Amino acid sequence: GENVEQHPSTLSVQEGDSAVIKCTYSDSASNYFPWYKQELGKGPQLIIDIRSNVGEKKDQRIAVTLNKTAKHFSLHITETQPEDSAVYFCAAKPFSGNTGKLIFGQGTTLQVKP
Amino acid sequence: DSGVTQTPKHLITATGQRVTLRCSPRSGDLSVYWYQQSLDQGLQFLIQYYNGEERAKGNILERFSAQQFPDLHSELNLSSLELGDSALYFCASSTGQALGYTFGSGTRLTVV
Repeated sequence: GENVEQHPSTLSVQEGDSAVIKCTYSDSASNYFPWYKQELGKGPQLIIDIRSNVGEKKDQRIAVTLNKTAKHFSLHITETQPEDSAVYFCAAKPFSGNTGKLIFGQGTTLQVKP
Repeated sequence: DSGVTQTPKHLITATGQRVTLRCSPRSGDLSVYWYQQSLDQGLQFLIQYYNGEERAKGNILERFSAQQFPDLHSELNLSSLELGDSALYFCASSTGQALGYTFGSGTRLTVV
C-alpha cells in the first residue's frame, strides 16, 4: 500500500549547523512531495515542495532533493536557528487520480540548541 | 492566520457521544481535506471534498462522516465516540487540485 517512512524521528543540532531529514515513499507513481513544519499548538505549514520532474529545489536556507529511482527525498536546512525548532513532516501525493490526498511520514522533531 | 478556520479549538466529551467539527476553507478554495493526527499514527487522511462532492476517502471509520455545504464550509461528524478517537483533527483547503494545501489550526478532541 501507500506508505512514507521518515527518519530520524528526533534530531538535535547546534545553532548554525545543518540538519537533514530523509523520507522514502512506496508508490513509484507519486508525483508531488511537500514538506510541512508544525510548531506547538499550530497546524502544519507548507515550507517547500518539489514535483517529480525536478531533482532539487532551494528556497533560502532550505532545500529539497528527490531521487525518483531510489524513491526517496530529503529536506536540508542550513545555518539552523532556534526558530527552526519544530516537527517536520514529509509527504507524498500518490497517483490516485483526481485527488489531493497526501501520505505523510511520521514526523521529525528538530531541536536547534542555541 | 492561515485563512482556514476550524471550530471549536478544544472539545471534551464522553464515550458514546457525537460531536461535529467545523471548517471554513480559505476564500476561493474549493477543496477541503480532513486529517486525524494522533501520537502513534501521525497525520492520517480521512476524506476530501471538492465543491460539495466527495472526491477521495481514506481510512475513515464508518462512525465518522463529513459533508461540504454550498458555501464550501465543511463539517466532520464523529459518533459513538471511543477513547481511541481522542486526537487532533485538522482541516486543510486548496484551490481545485492545487498542490500544497493550507491547514487550519486544528480541533483537539478528548474523549473521556
